[in-house]
Amino acid sequence: EIVLTQSPGSLSLSPGERVTLSCRASQTVSSNYLAWYQQRPGQAPRLLIYAASTRATGIPDRFSGSGSGTDFTLTISRLEPEDFAVYYCQLFGDSPPYSFGQGTKLEIK
Amino acid sequence: EVQLVESGGGLVHPGGSLRLSCAASGFTFNNYAMNWVRQAPGKGLEWVSGISGTGHTAYYADSVKGRFTISRDNSKNTVFLQLNSLRAEDTAVYYCAKSSIVVLVPGGYFDPWGQGTLVTVSS
Repeated sequence: EIVLTQSPGSLSLSPGERVTLSCRASQTVSSNYLAWYQQRPGQAPRLLIYAASTRATGIPDRFSGSGSGTDFTLTISRLEPEDFAVYYCQLFGDSPPYSFGQGTKLEIK
Repeated sequence: EVQLVESGGGLVHPGGSLRLSCAASGFTFNNYAMNWVRQAPGKGLEWVSGISGTGHTAYYADSVKGRFTISRDNSKNTVFLQLNSLRAEDTAVYYCAKSSIVVLVPGGYFDPWGQGTLVTVSS
């Protein structure tokens, strides 16, 4: 089973700042099967990015994804107040289980 | 608009059973695989089970294999999760999520998700 490790576990930033979140796989994976989700407090997760770099419908262009092999990143170019949430990466391809990373919590400084 | 509405959660004693439902609307239900994902209080996301669009193929996380059963009724646009032999560690919000494709292998990304239903296992 492939393990996804996200870093950092949490960080405090201010609106307007730029942030890059990391997701590392325990072995090489296809970028076609890497997704990012956002979960705001008290809400269900929401798809942000799939196939490592494709924004989902309605997702602002300040969100971008990149990476290949074992290392993937989610970048938010200018943080808005509504972006402070928990972010998860997920591997959904090849075969189950469709594992998630442990999450990165983005807090307002 | 695609909508997923879960129901069936509640308080159950250890060893007990529960059946969760997820009613779908706004898309051709049998064209997409469906999944259940859970989140224990204050914890991260854990994929639990998935079922193909036809209902012929299902997969489970090792943590629930042999205790949980996923099924679907394509005539009623509903996916179910039967939870048996429940343990305290099964306490979580259970979300259903639509896959982007009909099969499970390779899988599709999850979009959208329902609002979740809370299962509490406690004596």
